[in-house]
Amino acid sequence: GQQVMQIPQYQHVQEGEDFTTYCNSSTTLSNIQWYKQRPGGHPVFLIQLVKSGEVKKQKRLTFQFGEAKKNSSLHITATQTTDVGTYFCADGGSQGNLIFGKGTKLSVKP
Amino acid sequence: SAVISQKPSRDICQRGTSLTIQCQVDSQVTMMFWYRQQPGQSLTLIATANQGSEATYESGFVIDKFPISRPNLTFSTLTVSNMSPEDSSIYLCSVRGGDGANYGYTFGSGTRLTVV
Repeated sequence: GQQVMQIPQYQHVQEGEDFTTYCNSSTTLSNIQWYKQRPGGHPVFLIQLVKSGEVKKQKRLTFQFGEAKKNSSLHITATQTTDVGTYFCADGGSQGNLIFGKGTKLSVKP
Repeated sequence: SAVISQKPSRDICQRGTSLTIQCQVDSQVTMMFWYRQQPGQSLTLIATANQGSEATYESGFVIDKFPISRPNLTFSTLTVSNMSPEDSSIYLCSVRGGDGANYGYTFGSGTRLTVV
């Protein structure tokens, strides 16, 4: 079935360093969504990308959707301790449900 | 954006028993989704619950083990039946947050289940 591969699985950074997580799919995605899950919390929607080559920014977060709509990335500039959590990409698909990547767990050392 | 109330937030259950998890949404939604998140893992879709019809289960999940009710457009329950320690997970319900690209999916706060 449809799979979304996400790397890295873990990322440990010093506060102030940048962070990037990547998602790849073997098939073209209709859209890709990004979620953040804080430790002990539930996933919270960050953004949805729909268009080929789309780039969206939310303060220090930059989201990109590849030209072929098979890959996506989330980049955080100058990480802060509040960025700690697991970041998931998800294939929005056409069935109304989400297919999640395995997530990247970010830890930030102050 | 939709708001979901999910309960219980956590429970510790004896093996062989069943637990019913409830999700209440503050607006009418066509589809509700039930996910399982095993410790330290990603989310896996269990089933899609549509009002007025039987739930659609994903591969590896069966109705006898995870019966779902969807009596109206704002409420759904998931039952974890005949539990074993392998069922220890976080169970989450989800709905589409709203229409348009600015809305993703809203999740309930989750039910952390431990089976002993």
